[in-house]
Amino acid sequence: DSGVTQTPKHLITATGQRVTLRCSPRSGDLSVYWYQQSLDQGLQFLIQYYNGEERAKGNILERFSAQQFPDLHSELNLSSLELGDSALYFCASSVDVVGVGTEAFFGQGTRLTVV
Amino acid sequence: GNSVTQMEGPVTLSEEAFLTINCTYTATGYPSLFWYVQYPGEGLQLLLKATKADDKGSNKGFEATYRKETTSFHLEKGSVQVSDSAVYFCALSAVDSSYKLIFGSGTRLLVRP
Repeated sequence: DSGVTQTPKHLITATGQRVTLRCSPRSGDLSVYWYQQSLDQGLQFLIQYYNGEERAKGNILERFSAQQFPDLHSELNLSSLELGDSALYFCASSVDVVGVGTEAFFGQGTRLTVV
Repeated sequence: GNSVTQMEGPVTLSEEAFLTINCTYTATGYPSLFWYVQYPGEGLQLLLKATKADDKGSNKGFEATYRKETTSFHLEKGSVQVSDSAVYFCALSAVDSSYKLIFGSGTRLLVRP
C-alpha cells in the first residue's frame, strides 16, 4: 500500500458527461501529480500541484481541470467526455518535488470507461 | 525537451534467465533516474532510483547504473522469476522539466516457468 488513495477505482460513463476523480496523497506529502495511462500513449503527465498551487502543466486538455484543496487532497475534473478519454488515471504524491532524495508514490488508479 | 526511450516489449524469458531492459534518456543537466514496476491491475511502484552519475540503484535483485557518458540507465536482473512478470517503466526527473516524472513507454516482461 503506497498510502495514496484514489476513488473511485472504476467509473463507467457516457460520452458528453462530466466526472470527478479524487486523490488523497500520503500523509505529509505536499505535491500531487496526475497522469493518464492509455494503451497507445503510455503514461502522460497531466498536471502537478504543490501545496495548493499549480506548479506544472502537461498535455492536459481544456476539457480537463484539476485543483488541490487546503487539506491537500486533489480532484481531477473531466468534462464533455469522449470515447478517447477512456484510460487509467493515476495520482501520485511526493513530499516535495521529485528529485534528489525524493520519490513519488502512486495510487492504484481510476479506470475510466466512456461508452 | 527531456525524454526517456525504452526498448520495446514484450520481453519473454524463461525462469532464471538474465534480464536487461534498455533505457536511455535525453536531458540537460543532471536528472534523477528511476525504474518503476506495474504489476497487473495495480499502480506503479518504485523499484529503484539513482540521483547522480555512476550511482547504482538496487532492489529485489534488480540493478541499474546511472551512466552519464552514455545517457543510459539499463535495468538488469541476474535470474528472473515468474513473479517478476510486469510492466517496467524508466523515468527521469529534472529541474528544467519542473521535477515532474517523465516516463518511457514501458516494457512488458513475461517470465515463463
